Amino acid sequence: GAVVSQHPSRVICKSGTSVKIECRSLDFQATTMFWYRQFPKQSLMLMATSNEGSKATYEQGVEKDKFLINHASLTLSTLTVTSAHPEDSSFYICSASRGSSSYNSPLHFGNGTRLTVT
Amino acid sequence: AQTVTQSQPEMSVQEAETVTLSCTYDTSESDYYLFWYKQPPSRQMILVIRQEAYKQQNATENRFSVNFQKAAKSFSLKISDSQLGDAAMYFCAYRRDDMRFGAGTRLTVKP
Repeated sequence: GAVVSQHPSRVICKSGTSVKIECRSLDFQATTMFWYRQFPKQSLMLMATSNEGSKATYEQGVEKDKFLINHASLTLSTLTVTSAHPEDSSFYICSASRGSSSYNSPLHFGNGTRLTVT
Repeated sequence: AQTVTQSQPEMSVQEAETVTLSCTYDTSESDYYLFWYKQPPSRQMILVIRQEAYKQQNATENRFSVNFQKAAKSFSLKISDSQLGDAAMYFCAYRRDDMRFGAGTRLTVKP
């Protein structure tokens, strides 16, 4: 089956530093990737849609200058949390859509990254 | 924007019994997909079952089945013969251009 690898699984950083999270599709080409944020005991909230070769589309309320998304290839998307603050501490999950971005393409999820900002 | 509503924050079921998790959604689209995902404590998102909106037949995957009522925009999940390993958070999701999730239902299975 399709595998999405997300790295790192856990990261602790100091306030003011930047953290990069990688999301790779290992055995398929991912035209579209989605980045979600999940607070404890809450649902997954869509942050942005990442399309290969173009700018990401951010959801309302998500700061694009703070959460930089790069989807430079069909197998890799990265999320960089810039100038991280404690309120950015959360669980971040990526998912990838195989092939076209059509809604009938299944989503495959990474294992998530737990970010703690001290 | 599409919204997905799960009105049951928590549900409990006795092992081997049946439980139904409810989900409603709002959309103006006619073609879309609906999903149920399971999230155990490991936080891995596991696909349980999916339903194509243009198919009237309810999807079934072993002990898991759905009751899809398109006109009512309802998409409930039935788990039969519940097992201890079914205990997890369950999220209903709507997919069109992206994927949106409901707030989730925490399912507890009592031995």
